[in-house]
Amino acid sequence: GQNIDQPTEMTATEGAIVQINCTYQTSGFNGLFWYQQHAGEAPTFLSYNVLDGLEEKGRFSSFLSRSKGYSYLLLKELQMKDSASYLCAVRRTGGFKTIFGAGTRLFVKA
Amino acid sequence: DARVTQTPRDKVTEMGQEVTMRCQPILGHNTVFWYRQTMMQGLELLAYFRNRAPLDDSGMPKDRFSAEMPDATLATLKIQPSEPRDSAVYFCASGLVPGIQDNYGYTFGSGTRLTVV
Repeated sequence: GQNIDQPTEMTATEGAIVQINCTYQTSGFNGLFWYQQHAGEAPTFLSYNVLDGLEEKGRFSSFLSRSKGYSYLLLKELQMKDSASYLCAVRRTGGFKTIFGAGTRLFVKA
Repeated sequence: DARVTQTPRDKVTEMGQEVTMRCQPILGHNTVFWYRQTMMQGLELLAYFRNRAPLDDSGMPKDRFSAEMPDATLATLKIQPSEPRDSAVYFCASGLVPGIQDNYGYTFGSGTRLTVV
């Protein structure tokens, strides 16, 4: 089976940096996704990691350590519009089943 | 922009009625997922297809839910009979797996908000 853990909520200040962690346990790892979901909307893709290391995309970066079963999403220069839920998802080999964590609700305050 | 289209956007129905939700995946995508989202459970995987073949529907209540993909442009999720506990937002997502498209992830539709009264 799969188990994915993320903090339920986080609060950060506009302009700051925030790190959202995700730990997972799975058999047959085949990649980890981060999605952003604003209230009442569909999830939108942010990043994909399958090898260890850091992937950077503008203000957002995602890190993966396969040996530790750990990933984080780093958001820099926070803006009010970054207030949303951030979902970590793990894909398995052999069929590519993709399971989501419960998500982390991020509140950005002025 | 290519998009995943889901219909209907909203559905209110009475307990015991049949509900059918439809999804048109992005042309060329080979994998289609059905997820259900509630406040309590988050995004739960119900079923998914690869090249139209069902790969896993272990997340669905088998006695009342069914998922099919009659052709490459249409995936359906049916609930019969519906119950109040089925009230949720149902999302369809599609992607091209595996490959370079992984850098674009899966694309989600806007969802069907189902309310069973």
